[in-house]
Amino acid sequence: NAGVTQTPKFRILKIGQSMTLQCTQDMNHNYMYWYRQDPGMGLKLIYYSVGAGITDKGEVPNGYNVSRSTTEDFPLRLELAAPSQTSVYFCASSYDRELDGYTFGSGTRLTVV
Amino acid sequence: DQQVKQNSPSLSVQEGRISILNCDYTNSMFDYFLWYKKYPAEGPTFLISISSIKDKNEDGRFTVFLNKSAKHLSLHIVPSQPGDSAVYFCAASDWRAQKLVFGQGTRLTINP
Repeated sequence: NAGVTQTPKFRILKIGQSMTLQCTQDMNHNYMYWYRQDPGMGLKLIYYSVGAGITDKGEVPNGYNVSRSTTEDFPLRLELAAPSQTSVYFCASSYDRELDGYTFGSGTRLTVV
Repeated sequence: DQQVKQNSPSLSVQEGRISILNCDYTNSMFDYFLWYKKYPAEGPTFLISISSIKDKNEDGRFTVFLNKSAKHLSLHIVPSQPGDSAVYFCAASDWRAQKLVFGQGTRLTINP
């Protein structure tokens, strides 16, 4: 049981480049989330999804896009990378309202130069 | 508008003693609170939670206390062990939102 898998683990982007952070879960969880963690700051919610085909904005959605075509996958897209998007990104999933059951991936460390 | 605040960025405790991590919140709609633990290069993992209908929840060496009138919760670890060295995040939600709001985290170091 792999849980939540994020790829890549590390990435360096140049300003203006685009990329997709991948997130896959094999627990049949309905809810999926993308958070970013900046130094000295808590985890900020970027986007979330309550099921396939349904997504919604979190606290800091600007500069990002998501899609949820299947239950398993929830990719996060950066279209025009900016230095302010340098951060560690965490994907998480949960089954319905089981807040105890937030399972996080191991994170993607992204640097924009 | 930080709704969940952990005002101590770091805490150092001697092995075997009690570790107390604090968290304050401002949103009176929050009714469910959680603590997550995070090791370097790993994602956060769930540690313990408490509903607003309780004022205490205990799980082994970990106890969470909730003071609703003060909008304050704390995590007690007794006795502290070297493996407890990690970053601890406080998080809060209300049942309708199904989204967690996290604090900034406190880095706990347990010294032998």
